[in-house]
Amino acid sequence: DQQVKQNSPSLSVQEGRISILNCDYTNSMFDYFLWYKKYPAEGPTFLISISSIKDKNEDGRFTVFLNKSAKHLSLHIVPSQPGDSAVYFCAASANDGTDKLIFGTGTRLQVFP
Amino acid sequence: GAGVSQSPSNKVTEKGKDVELRCDPISGHTALYWYRQSLGQGLEFLIYFQGNSAPDKSGLPSDRFSAERTGGSVSTLTIQRTQQEDSAVYLCASRVGARTGELFFGEGSRLTVL
Repeated sequence: DQQVKQNSPSLSVQEGRISILNCDYTNSMFDYFLWYKKYPAEGPTFLISISSIKDKNEDGRFTVFLNKSAKHLSLHIVPSQPGDSAVYFCAASANDGTDKLIFGTGTRLQVFP
Repeated sequence: GAGVSQSPSNKVTEKGKDVELRCDPISGHTALYWYRQSLGQGLEFLIYFQGNSAPDKSGLPSDRFSAERTGGSVSTLTIQRTQQEDSAVYLCASRVGARTGELFFGEGSRLTVL
């Protein structure tokens, strides 16, 4: 049962344009969401997070939007840069007494010049 | 250490052998997680520790997998009688303890079972 889903395995965007990565979840107990970025042969690194009490969080070129009613979140990168090319993972955590962090399957972003 | 350290970085083994993967978390981090990433797959949760105890072992794929953590620090993931489907990158991560704290990952241990 995949509780966190990233339905687009890959995305290709031109440099300077906006990249939009999507994530859907099924567990209504999830109240904290994160995005991680992973380069080949490296561990994932934290990018940005959002609590369910907010619907938007912005950090520089990165903005995460949360739509609780739709159980959907998205990561916007603008403007996209070639160095943003990586695999992006969405993750979610529930306030259920556990500390489990559930990751999606990832979306490979390629930013071309 | 400055970051999460995992060893070995690469391990090739024959089917049926046992392997041990080690994780040295960031000093002071009480929570420690193991994930694995199979080829073309996402990050699959295996187990996490809060201190030395493992409240949630639900992600371990079979009873061939076990993990322990001693002294609230180093953790070892053991896979007995390895199978080809165990081939994956095994990632360890740690954080201070708060559920909303940032999770810091190691570079992973790539396991190949021939």
